[in-house]
Amino acid sequence: DIQMTQSPSSLSASVGDRVTITCRASQSIDSFLNWYQQKPGRAPKLLIYAASSLQSGVPSRFSASGSGTAFSLIISSLQPEDFTTYFCQQSYSTPYSFGQGTKLEI
Amino acid sequence: QVQLRESGPGLVKPSETLSLTCTVSGYSLSSDYYWGWIRQSPEKGLEWIGTIYHSESTYYKPSTYYNPSLESRVSISLDASKNQFSLKLISVTAADTALYFCARERRQYPLLYYFDFWGQGALVTVSS
Repeated sequence: DIQMTQSPSSLSASVGDRVTITCRASQSIDSFLNWYQQKPGRAPKLLIYAASSLQSGVPSRFSASGSGTAFSLIISSLQPEDFTTYFCQQSYSTPYSFGQGTKLEI
Repeated sequence: QVQLRESGPGLVKPSETLSLTCTVSGYSLSSDYYWGWIRQSPEKGLEWIGTIYHSESTYYKPSTYYNPSLESRVSISLDASKNQFSLKLISVTAADTALYFCARERRQYPLLYYFDFWGQGALVTVSS
């Protein structure tokens, strides 16, 4: 099974900051990497698919890059609604696996 | 707009069977998407349970894919006439206590493999 490791597990930032969240796979997953945002009590929301493609309706301050085993999610200018939890997920092979999450805090 | 909604008992006794149904609106289950179950708990985080696929263009029974860690206890089925798919997990223990999500899964070569629409989740507690 492929293990996904996110870092950091939590991150303190301020409105307007640029932040980067990283995700590493235990083996190469090409570009089969998705990013989700999850607010408390809500389902995860797809932000990025195929490592760098922005899902329709997601603000352009979100971007992502990477391939193989190392990936990054970048939020260019934090907005108040961005302070929540983010997960990566590999879709290279089943069983699909998720990172443990990064909580973005003010 | 695609919407999914989980339903089922919120409390299940140990050793019994967990059963959840996902009702889909705004999209046909028999179209070219897959349909999955994912659960979330503080101990294990997000965990993919399994996925089902059914196409009206085939006469075969739906295809299912399960997480090997759960495969001996899980089954996913689909009722196209009701636009619903269901999860059954047998012999549950406290470790199966989690928030259970159903989701639409896209699988399209070469790189479009993701969960794009999710239900709001159903909390299932395993306790006597």
